[in-house]
Amino acid sequence: DAKTTQPNSMESNEEEPVHLPCNHSTISGTDYIHWYRQLPSQGPEYVIHGLTSNVNNRMASLAIAEDRKSSTLILHRATLRDAAVYYCILRVQGGSEKLVFGKGTKLTVNP
Amino acid sequence: EAQVTQNPRYLITVTGKKLTVTCSQNMNHEYMSWYRQDPGLGLRQIYYSMNVEVTDKGDVPEGYKVSRKEKRNFPLILESPSPNQTSLYFCASSPLPTGGAPRTQYFGPGTRLLVL
Repeated sequence: DAKTTQPNSMESNEEEPVHLPCNHSTISGTDYIHWYRQLPSQGPEYVIHGLTSNVNNRMASLAIAEDRKSSTLILHRATLRDAAVYYCILRVQGGSEKLVFGKGTKLTVNP
Repeated sequence: EAQVTQNPRYLITVTGKKLTVTCSQNMNHEYMSWYRQDPGLGLRQIYYSMNVEVTDKGDVPEGYKVSRKEKRNFPLILESPSPNQTSLYFCASSPLPTGGAPRTQYFGPGTRLLVL
């Protein structure tokens, strides 16, 4: 599985946008970029995924660089409930269903 | 409500006493999986199942067994637990992929196990 690199931690203030970066310089053409998050004392939950184009859903937006070597998860208005560890995961089309979690980025949201 | 449930949520046991952690999903998913989460090591896959009666080892299967007799249930069995199996366990499920994008996985709330 191609490797991803994320900052260990980030801080944000409530109601402000948050941009969580992920580098994946060895990404292949069939790798999808998935984001999951894990709130304290809970199981991981799906956030968003994309292949080449930017994606939006009710939780977040995903901005993918033109060369696909990096991506950014955007939370438009952080709330205290967004405090979690965010994982950027590459998944191959037609590949294993196993999720390979790295260390992720721990997001702290200040009131 | 679509969900993955696990029982028990917390368990303290002693070395060698067989235990089973149950996992059930109500989404008719074919794929189910068990992960363990340890500080500094992240989540690692223990076993997975692509469908009823089809199971396979993940990255850390030693000391664990699973079964998949029904589509909705995927119990994790520790025949003789040891202290190094003290961990936080998560069950997950998803539909099987249809050749396109990988499918979203849904996780249970976790089972915290302490083996003394």
